Amino acid sequence: GAGVSQSPSNKVTEKGKDVELRCDPISGHTALYWYRQSLGQGLEFLIYFQGNSAPDKSGLPSDRFSAERTGGSVSTLTIQRTQQEDSAVYLCASSKIFGPPGLAGRITGELFFGEGSRLTVL
Amino acid sequence: AQRVTQPEKLLSVFKGAPVELKCNYSYSGSPELFWYVQYSRQRLQLLLRHISRESIKGFTADLNKGETSFHLKKPFAQEEDSAMYYCALMYSSASKIIFGSGTRLSIRP
Repeated sequence: GAGVSQSPSNKVTEKGKDVELRCDPISGHTALYWYRQSLGQGLEFLIYFQGNSAPDKSGLPSDRFSAERTGGSVSTLTIQRTQQEDSAVYLCASSKIFGPPGLAGRITGELFFGEGSRLTVL
Repeated sequence: AQRVTQPEKLLSVFKGAPVELKCNYSYSGSPELFWYVQYSRQRLQLLLRHISRESIKGFTADLNKGETSFHLKKPFAQEEDSAMYYCALMYSSASKIIFGSGTRLSIRP
């Protein structure tokens, strides 16, 4: 597609339920990032995937959060047993990489963001 | 620990006045710094990066390694500059990018 696509755009769920958020990056972008945007907290790094390398999960706030990227393209962020403090906009971004995608190449630094998935936990 | 600090949550200036959005970083390596902008009802997008040393929409930013700062400046603010601005740091050792908490810039007519 023309840009990063995220779904759903809005999700309202009850506390304790699991949710899945999907990100479809720009074709050819081998780096993919998830961020959480909440009022007063700015843009919080969650996880990033780069080619075939192991993902950097250092920003995931708890073990209720997980993400996977299948086939080097689409990514799913899963939040289990949602809590009210999980309410936020979840942003996905993708970027190109210099060098072989299977190795530790560098990204260009320009992230292309999706419109986000707004999660509300009641 | 690596960190990006934007001390102002909100900055309000009159049209035509100079603007400076502050950004300080903490990083032991050689950083690459960026400013991203989010206009109302639009996606977050790259505004400028320090290695390009360019002016975008009249905005410039200079990396000051001594003060570990990367402030965004514009000599004459326009109403269309009203937006949320985020400073970002890319690690030299990897492709991880972290952002500051953002500054909302409001330009008064």
